[in-house]
Amino acid sequence: DIQMTQSPSTLSASVGDTVTITCRASQSISSWLAWYQQKPGKAPRLLIYKTSNLETGVPSRFSGYGSGTEFTLTIAKLQPDDFATYYCQQYNSYVGLTFGGGTKVQI
Amino acid sequence: RLQLQESGPALVKPSETLSLICDVSGASLSGTSYYWGWIRQAPGKGLEWIGGISYSWTTYDNPSLKSRVTISLDTSKNQFSLRLSSVTAADTAVYFCARDGSNFGYFDLWGPGAPVTVSS
Repeated sequence: DIQMTQSPSTLSASVGDTVTITCRASQSISSWLAWYQQKPGKAPRLLIYKTSNLETGVPSRFSGYGSGTEFTLTIAKLQPDDFATYYCQQYNSYVGLTFGGGTKVQI
Repeated sequence: RLQLQESGPALVKPSETLSLICDVSGASLSGTSYYWGWIRQAPGKGLEWIGGISYSWTTYDNPSLKSRVTISLDTSKNQFSLRLSSVTAADTAVYFCARDGSNFGYFDLWGPGAPVTVSS
């Protein structure tokens, strides 16, 4: 199994800040990485696929970068609606899809 | 617009089999070429991929679940299903069904989730 490690696990920020979440894979996954946003009691929402491609309808203040084993999700100028938990997910192989442990972005 | 909805018992006894259905509305399963998956989230924890099925009935499951998983498609009812056998308290979670619209392995559409508790 490919292990995905996110950091930090919790991030405190204010409206208007720019924040970056890191996701590291235990082996190379090329660019096969997605990011999701989840709010309490709700299903995850796809934000980014293939490292840096924004899903339709996702604001441009979200951006993704990386390749191989290290990836980042940056949220520029945090809005109140952005306070949530974020997960990365690798899809290098359908035999074992794995998620990171999550990063909670809180006020 | 395509929507997903999970359904099934909210309470399952230890050692029994958990069974959930995902109803697909807004499109015919037999007319699509998507992959479909199940993901769960234990209380206060992260997301865990359980397994999936392709439009051609090829199935994939998480090796950590030790062959307890069965996923199937029922195109006549426009739904796909999950069966997880020999459940324990560790299987208590919210279970999500989801669509892999790209067939690469990420999920672009999710159901709202179904909470399942394993307890006697």
